Amino acid sequence: EVQLVESGGGLVQPGGSLRLSCAASGFNFSNYWMTWVRQAPGKGLEYVASIQQDGSEKYYVDSVKGRFTISRDNAKNSLYLQVSSLRAEDTAVYYCARLFTCDYWGQGTLVTVSS
Amino acid sequence: DVVMTQSPLSLPVTLGQSASISCRSSQSLVHSDGNTYLNWFQQRPGQSPRRLIYKVSNRDSGVPDRFSGSGSGTDFTLQISRVEAEDVGVYYCMQGTHWPPTFGGGTKVEIK
Repeated sequence: EVQLVESGGGLVQPGGSLRLSCAASGFNFSNYWMTWVRQAPGKGLEYVASIQQDGSEKYYVDSVKGRFTISRDNAKNSLYLQVSSLRAEDTAVYYCARLFTCDYWGQGTLVTVSS
Repeated sequence: DVVMTQSPLSLPVTLGQSASISCRSSQSLVHSDGNTYLNWFQQRPGQSPRRLIYKVSNRDSGVPDRFSGSGSGTDFTLQISRVEAEDVGVYYCMQGTHWPPTFGGGTKVEIK
């Protein structure tokens, strides 16, 4: 059974940083593109970033370029999102998902940016 | 970015009746590889999204055949036949043809 479990969210001040993690199991992690999608409270879904199987290609939505970094450790079956220079508008539940087309999702981890 | 426009915003449905959700894109979703990367997701209250349909009309494993997708180019539809109580939630379309992938604003399905 495919499982994705996010962690690392929390309350952070504007300008601060966090490292989000996603532990994957139930599939061959190293064979799949992985993706982060976020959802602001009461709002819709926004694609954030994707990473190729070996980490050599990474794509970001414009609103997070230069502030967020997606990475992965295939030996640990883990996906990461380093979020920095955080703004109030980055407050959201952050989901990791498998593939560009998000066939499986985790339960999400909440990031709240507030002073 | 490709803008995905869903309608209606809210869809009250009687149990056992059909529901139809429209999704229109600001440009064609036909990829250079010939595929059309249009997906549909369901998000039940308090839950993570779940993919229902990929590449316009392919149902994911475990998705009831009451759900069907259709369309081409810039105009797509998700049909739910014989709506059940468990279908309540918000439905999103998403295009994966052009970077960045973009989602529609969502359609809230509720029972009358």
